[in-house]
Amino acid sequence: QVQLVQSETEVKKPGASVKVSCQASGYIFTDYYIQWVRQAPGHGLEWMGRINLSSGGTFYADKFEGRVSMTRDTAISTAYLEVSSLNSDDTAVYYCARRVMTTEYDPYKGFDVWGQGTTVIVSS
Amino acid sequence: IQMTQSPSSLSASVGDRVTITCRASQGIRRDLGWYQHKPGKAPKVLIYSATSLQSGVPSRFSGSGSGTNFTLSISGLQPEDFATYYCLHDYNYPYTFGQGTKLEIK
Repeated sequence: QVQLVQSETEVKKPGASVKVSCQASGYIFTDYYIQWVRQAPGHGLEWMGRINLSSGGTFYADKFEGRVSMTRDTAISTAYLEVSSLNSDDTAVYYCARRVMTTEYDPYKGFDVWGQGTTVIVSS
Repeated sequence: IQMTQSPSSLSASVGDRVTITCRASQGIRRDLGWYQHKPGKAPKVLIYSATSLQSGVPSRFSGSGSGTNFTLSISGLQPEDFATYYCLHDYNYPYTFGQGTKLEIK
């Protein structure tokens, strides 16, 4: 069964870094991008960026450039999001979602599979 | 590209038909999806490519539009449809979500 399973809740102090994982199963990992989306309390969904799981190439939203790093380990079908220099505004639920990269084998269907979300709390 | 979604909130009754709109700041062809988000759950794609219904999504959901103006319609609202809805463009980077529409029970 196709699924994305994310790591557990993290509590961090301001200035620290956090690394969230997203493990894929049930499909060919490198045929898709992983997108990262977050939702802060009382706010809407916010697209953070994406990683090409085949090449490792990334694109980040301007707001996160320089403070966010997206990586992957193809051997264990896992993508990672690392956010550094955390502040209270980074308190949010972070989601990974897949989007097909090429429609040669699978059709495009938007962000069709999502992880369950990882809560990151930044508090002193 | 900015996505302007309206209304920000909407109150309706079971059985009603509702429409949510999204306007893009420039043309995005049909590179737009609609997502439903409930508290404590992951978002769920309802519509992709502006008009295509995701497998398993009830046919009371429909999408229309192209270029800069898009709509999501829900006919015959069911209790499980009360949630927050977002549009998302994936025309080019950076992708952006609309601000969201919270659909509440009247």
